[in-house]
Amino acid sequence: NAGVTQTPKFQVLKTGQSMTLQCAQDMNHEYMSWYRQDPGMGLRLIHYSVGAGITDQGEVPNGYNVSRSTTEDFPLRLLSAAPSQTSVYFCASRVPGQGQAFFGQGTRLTVV
Amino acid sequence: QQQVKQSPQSLIVQKGGISIINCAYENTAFDYFPWYQQFPGKGPALLIAIRPDVSEKKEGRFTISFNKSAKQFSLHIMDSQPGDSATYFCAASSGGYNKLIFGAGTRLAVHP
Repeated sequence: NAGVTQTPKFQVLKTGQSMTLQCAQDMNHEYMSWYRQDPGMGLRLIHYSVGAGITDQGEVPNGYNVSRSTTEDFPLRLLSAAPSQTSVYFCASRVPGQGQAFFGQGTRLTVV
Repeated sequence: QQQVKQSPQSLIVQKGGISIINCAYENTAFDYFPWYQQFPGKGPALLIAIRPDVSEKKEGRFTISFNKSAKQFSLHIMDSQPGDSATYFCAASSGGYNKLIFGAGTRLAVHP
């Protein structure tokens, strides 16, 4: 039981490049979300999904796209990376009706 | 505008001492208040959580104190140990758990 798995762990992008951060969970959790963590700002919600085919925006959605075609996977897409998107990204999942969120180990993204 | 304000930013405590981290919120609709613990290179993990219908919750050495009228809640770590050295985040959500709002985090160092 791996929990929440994020790939890659580290990534360097050039401004304007696109990429997809992968997130997979094997706990059959319907709810999944993406956060970014920046120094002095805690974690901020980017997008979340309450089930396959259903996504919604969080606090800081601009510049990011998501889709949810299966229960297990919730990829985060950066269409045109900007230096302001340099951050550590965390994916999380949880069971509906329960508050505990299970986080992956994060992806450290640097945009130069 | 930060909806959940956390203090202090950093905290140094001697082994065996009490660590206290405070959070304040404005949104009276918040009805779930968790604390997450994060070790370097790892994702946050739920430590303890409380709802506003109780004023205190204790789990082992960790206690949440909640003051609804003051819109404040705090984490107390009794008999602090070097293994407690981590970053701690308070958070809040309303109307379910879809949108967790995190505080900025407190870096705790427990010196032996």
